[in-house]
Amino acid sequence: QVQLQESGPGLVKPSETLSLTCTVSGGSVSSGRYYWSWIRQPPGKGLEWIGYMYYIGSTNYNPSLESRVTMSVDPSKNHFSLKLTSVTSADTAVYYCARSTSGNSRTWFDPWGQGTLVTVSS
Amino acid sequence: DIQMTQSPSFLSASVGDRVTITCRASQSIAIYLNWYQQKPGKAPKLLIYDASSLQSGVPSRFSGSGSGTDFTLTISSLQPEDFATYYCQQSYSTLPITFGQGTRLEIK
Repeated sequence: QVQLQESGPGLVKPSETLSLTCTVSGGSVSSGRYYWSWIRQPPGKGLEWIGYMYYIGSTNYNPSLESRVTMSVDPSKNHFSLKLTSVTSADTAVYYCARSTSGNSRTWFDPWGQGTLVTVSS
Repeated sequence: DIQMTQSPSFLSASVGDRVTITCRASQSIAIYLNWYQQKPGKAPKLLIYDASSLQSGVPSRFSGSGSGTDFTLTISSLQPEDFATYYCQQSYSTLPITFGQGTRLEIK
């Protein structure tokens, strides 16, 4: 059974870069069947999709974040990563990684990591 | 962006009740609508995909229906563990994928 686990700093200073990693166990990020996603949730608010990527490197980002987001995958470590630049307090959220079924219209997220809270503050 | 609007935003119900949550899309999304359950401090869990397909391991008291712009999630007989927040999500357009604002289901 596939499991995902986020890791990274819980506190980032304004204007700096948020960096998170999602380690996959029980499955391979190089599986051609799936895409790998990041989703975030500000405290007390709803869910916002950040983007997804395929193991060969193709990506699809939320246009609202595209100028600041970079996703990458490292098959040798079986993990994928998120970088979000020039963060502000509006980027404070619980960040989830998740496996996506595909990159087309039939896209759902399952399973999810447990989430990691990232706070942007000086 | 395709806007997803859930109603109600808050729902109070009792164990054993039949409950329906509605999700409306700002344009037609065919059947590309998924439902999640989120409990406090936990990650969302997939319940329904493609509007009406039950995810493996999800109790049969959960069901989904709809197509086009109007969708429903129904819980046939509420159990104590069902009190949570529910989200719909569309993937008809992946630029971007969007979620509803959530429906919080609480015990009456």
